[in-house]
Amino acid sequence: KNEVEQSPQNLTAQEGEFITINCSYSVGISALHWLQQHPGGGIVSLFMLSSGKKKHGRLIATINIQEKHSSLHITASHPRDSAVYICAVSSPGTYKYIFGTGTRLKVLA
Amino acid sequence: EAEVAQSPRYKITEKSQAVAFWCDPISGHATLYWYRQILGQGPELLVQFQDESVVDDSQLPKDRFSAERLKGVDSTLKIQPAELGDSAMYLCASSLEGEKLFFGSGTQLSVL
Repeated sequence: KNEVEQSPQNLTAQEGEFITINCSYSVGISALHWLQQHPGGGIVSLFMLSSGKKKHGRLIATINIQEKHSSLHITASHPRDSAVYICAVSSPGTYKYIFGTGTRLKVLA
Repeated sequence: EAEVAQSPRYKITEKSQAVAFWCDPISGHATLYWYRQILGQGPELLVQFQDESVVDDSQLPKDRFSAERLKGVDSTLKIQPAELGDSAMYLCASSLEGEKLFFGSGTQLSVL
């Protein structure tokens, strides 16, 4: 069993829909990260969370430390949101990151 | 905003040849990572540096891969000889201890 699990693996949505991507982890963490990867490779960090909730534009990330679960929400989705969204956790003290396999999102116009 | 520089962006090589990738992290970032990513999977750590020291290279195939960060700034990852199974995206990233991770644009390696 992977230490970081994401669901769903693939997601297709219509423009304007509210989207939720989930991440569960089984190890102790210092923080959880949500990353975005567009076709062609480049990975961009969206959020770093250790508690609660963060919001940036149409993106909202939440974390429940007790349940070892995080969600990434996209409101009013747009075709430019089409990308792979990767959840990663950083281990306390070692600065190591463990990555999920990603959720491939496609938003149709 | 400061960026992690990586080169080359693409590399095509024949098997048994040598190949090298270069990375210049964000200034001041002591921690540098090299990851390999196969299509449809998350990044896999190859080597982690703290300044010029290797912290973790347990997943680095040391018979053919080597990595160095001699002055604790930029870093080179080398493969010799390259094999067909090495075709993948090679990503460099840097961070301030456990903080937000910054990635370079990656090197897409194709071994023919």
